[in-house]
Amino acid sequence: DAGVTQSPTHLIKTRGQQVTLRCSPKSGHDTVSWYQQALGQGPQFIFQYYEEEERQRGNFPDRFSGHQFPNYSSELNVNALLLGDSALYLCASSLGGGGFYTGELFFGEGSRLTVL
Amino acid sequence: KNQVEQSPQSLIILEGKNCTLQCNYTVSPFSNLRWYKQDTGRGPVSLTIMTFSENTKSNGRYTATLDADTKQSSLHITASQLSDSASYICVVSARTNAGKSTFGDGTTLTVKP
Repeated sequence: DAGVTQSPTHLIKTRGQQVTLRCSPKSGHDTVSWYQQALGQGPQFIFQYYEEEERQRGNFPDRFSGHQFPNYSSELNVNALLLGDSALYLCASSLGGGGFYTGELFFGEGSRLTVL
Repeated sequence: KNQVEQSPQSLIILEGKNCTLQCNYTVSPFSNLRWYKQDTGRGPVSLTIMTFSENTKSNGRYTATLDADTKQSSLHITASQLSDSASYICVVSARTNAGKSTFGDGTTLTVKP
């Protein structure tokens, strides 16, 4: 049973560029949430996708956008990269998105983004 | 504003010793509280999940407690091992907008031989 997989694992970009990160959820899961984790801090919620729609969003600018595909996989796009976007980007999958989710989040290993 | 505060920020103990990590939260209305272990550069892995009606849950050498009245939780690690060295993150979800689970900044535990 494949867990949550993310790609790429590491990448380096320069300021102003754009990046796309990918996530495949755990088998049987239909909801994907994205998080940004700066060094020494806890993950910060970016947004959640369920039924191919963005259902909830954290306090991140519009430069951060996403997509969910019919097979439940998801992409995170970040435009006009800033130095402060350097972080570990985590994808978490779960079952049954929406407002009253009480289940468990399964995390991928993350994508380490460095912006120079 | 929903908040989760963890203490201590970091902790160093000797192999074989026990330790207790603390989590205080202001998330409301409360749904569940989870503890995760995160090795350096890796994704978090779930240790325990507790709902309002549960006050203790164990997972091997890890025991989590929850006091919903005081909005406090603790994670007790027994007979620590070198592999316990990691960051331990407390995550609290509300009964609404559960996707926006509130994460603590974690406690970094170092176990030394």
